Amino acid sequence: DQQVKQNSPSLSVQEGRISILNCDYTNSMFDYFLWYKKYPAEGPTFLISISSIKDKNEDGRFTVFLNKSAKHLSLHIVPSQPGDSAVYFCAASGPGAQKLVFGQGTRLTINP
Amino acid sequence: DADVTQTPRNRITKTGKRIMLECSQTKGHDRMYWYRQDPGLGLRLIYYSFDVKDINKGEISDGYSVSRQAQAKFSLSLESAIPNQTALYFCATSEPGTGPNTGELFFGEGSRLTVL
Repeated sequence: DQQVKQNSPSLSVQEGRISILNCDYTNSMFDYFLWYKKYPAEGPTFLISISSIKDKNEDGRFTVFLNKSAKHLSLHIVPSQPGDSAVYFCAASGPGAQKLVFGQGTRLTINP
Repeated sequence: DADVTQTPRNRITKTGKRIMLECSQTKGHDRMYWYRQDPGLGLRLIYYSFDVKDINKGEISDGYSVSRQAQAKFSLSLESAIPNQTALYFCATSEPGTGPNTGELFFGEGSRLTVL
């Protein structure tokens, strides 16, 4: 039972354009959402997060949008850069943030 | 030096062998976790520990055991390895509490295990 789903295994975007990565969740108790970025041969690193009391959080080129009614969040990267090529994991946690549930990941490739 | 260190980084073993993956951290965090990554399945939680005396099963704990030897050390054992335990294993740490980064995990670089 996959509580957090990333339905696109891969995404290819032109450098300079917008990258949009999507994530859906099923557990209505989730109240905190995070995005992690993973390069080959490295562990995932935290990128950006959003609390369920917000619908948008922005950090430089990265913006996360949360639609609670649709149980959907998305990560926007603009403009996309070659260094953004990585696997992106969406994650969610419930009250108390005791542990994270991850999605399957989306491999983003930025083409020059 | 990495804040979360995993050893070994790569290991090839045979079915039925006992394997231990070790994790140590210098972040001073109380919470430690073991995840495994499989293609198409993402990161799945095996075990987690909120302090030295606390051990909890995650979503896929069967076939694994853990030991929290100290605040800084959390090891994962496969008592009798089988091929479907071939995966990339990650140790992670976190701090409890509230705040914008509540629940943020800090990962090690991973241990790639192949069971033949």
